[in-house]
Amino acid sequence: AQKITQTQPGMFVQEKEAVTLDCTYDTSDQSYGLFWYKQPSSGEMIFLIYQGSYDEQNATEGRYSLNFQKARKSANLVISASQLGDSAMYFCAMREAGAGSYQLTFGKGTKLSVIP
Amino acid sequence: GAGVSQSPRYKVAKRGQDVALRCDPISGHVSLFWYQQALGQGPEFLTYFQNEAQLDKSGLPSDRFFAERPEGSVSTLKIQRTQKEDSAVYLCASSPTWGGSTDTQYFGPGTRLTVL
Repeated sequence: AQKITQTQPGMFVQEKEAVTLDCTYDTSDQSYGLFWYKQPSSGEMIFLIYQGSYDEQNATEGRYSLNFQKARKSANLVISASQLGDSAMYFCAMREAGAGSYQLTFGKGTKLSVIP
Repeated sequence: GAGVSQSPRYKVAKRGQDVALRCDPISGHVSLFWYQQALGQGPEFLTYFQNEAQLDKSGLPSDRFFAERPEGSVSTLKIQRTQKEDSAVYLCASSPTWGGSTDTQYFGPGTRLTVL
């Protein structure tokens, strides 16, 4: 079973509108971290936002917020007031705290296109 | 401050050649990761260093892949006898501490390897 599932291969959003990118995850660990990264066409993975499994409040960073629903194992990224520069691939990733688990496990990504 | 840097940015190799990819992590970062990203996919973990110690190499696809970080800073990923299926973007990431679930990984721009 996939550990990270992103079901939207591509999304379109009008400039200045909000958009939600979906992410569900699968883990038996109680302690884990969830991350969102942005990858523009230049290729670099840019860290956007982090949510810890024990955090009671949803994480926010500027125009980015993470809608964390632990019981549903869901960690959706919400981008408010979309800008043309938000057009990119977006990856959801998880890091489990179990012994020896140091790496990030990524989903397949969602390509976001912002329309003027 | 300076982020993670990688060189070369692009590498074209003939099948059977050896290649070496370099990663300069953020100064002082303890943990260093290598990931492989095939076209249209999310990154996949290759190997992990904590300082100079390679603690996890479970993601290396074959014994043709070798990574080192001899002084705990710069790392090199070497691929011997390259094959067409090795064509991918190789991403390096570093994080400040030992690699717990809360530790954010910061990525370099990647090296795009094309094997002809």
